[in-house]
Amino acid sequence: EVQLLESGGALVQPGGSLRLSCAASGFTFSNYAMGWVRQAPGKGLEWVSVMFNWGAKYADSVKGRFTASRDNSKNTLSLQMDSLRAEDTALYYCVKTTAVPGRVGDFDLWGQGTMVTVSS
Amino acid sequence: EIVLTQSPATLSLSPGETATLSCRASESVSYYLAWFQHKPGQAPRLLIYETSNRATGIPARFSGSGSGTDFSLTISSLEPEDFAVYYCQQRSDWPLTFGQGARLEVK
Repeated sequence: EVQLLESGGALVQPGGSLRLSCAASGFTFSNYAMGWVRQAPGKGLEWVSVMFNWGAKYADSVKGRFTASRDNSKNTLSLQMDSLRAEDTALYYCVKTTAVPGRVGDFDLWGQGTMVTVSS
Repeated sequence: EIVLTQSPATLSLSPGETATLSCRASESVSYYLAWFQHKPGQAPRLLIYETSNRATGIPARFSGSGSGTDFSLTISSLEPEDFAVYYCQQRSDWPLTFGQGARLEVK
């Protein structure tokens, strides 16, 4: 079955760190860019990051604080979140993109999400 | 940053009616516009990609159109399971952006 399973969400204090993971199955992980999209409570969807095999792109709101990585041998995507702020509180979804030559593809598969709460 | 503005914010209709949701971009996104459906407690689902292509398994009552800066999602003969929040999203340029969402509710 094609699926994404996120883990690692937790309650963390402002300024703290957290590492999210996404386990992929049912498709050839290394063939696709993978990403993160978040939804703050009561708000809409916000793109966070896309991880290609050659590097990553980030939203300005997380640039310099979040670092995406992937392990193609373990079919795993990770998001290291440092210097967390209250506004980072959100449900974080792992997403798979479609394969599009030369540019990022569409988010065609989503996980169920993992909740990150930043509060003292 | 390309800003996507969806209208209306809320649309109240009855099952069997036709819904039309709009998405306007602050600058051209060519045809790199997608639509997602999001229900409470569920993961968002890709409905339409590249303006008018239905994703795998999406019923034919969902259709997308537009180009450049103006796009629309049409849902004909609404079914009870279609009432949800809908988002448009562009991948023409970084940063990737979503519209603010449009709620389709039962009248």
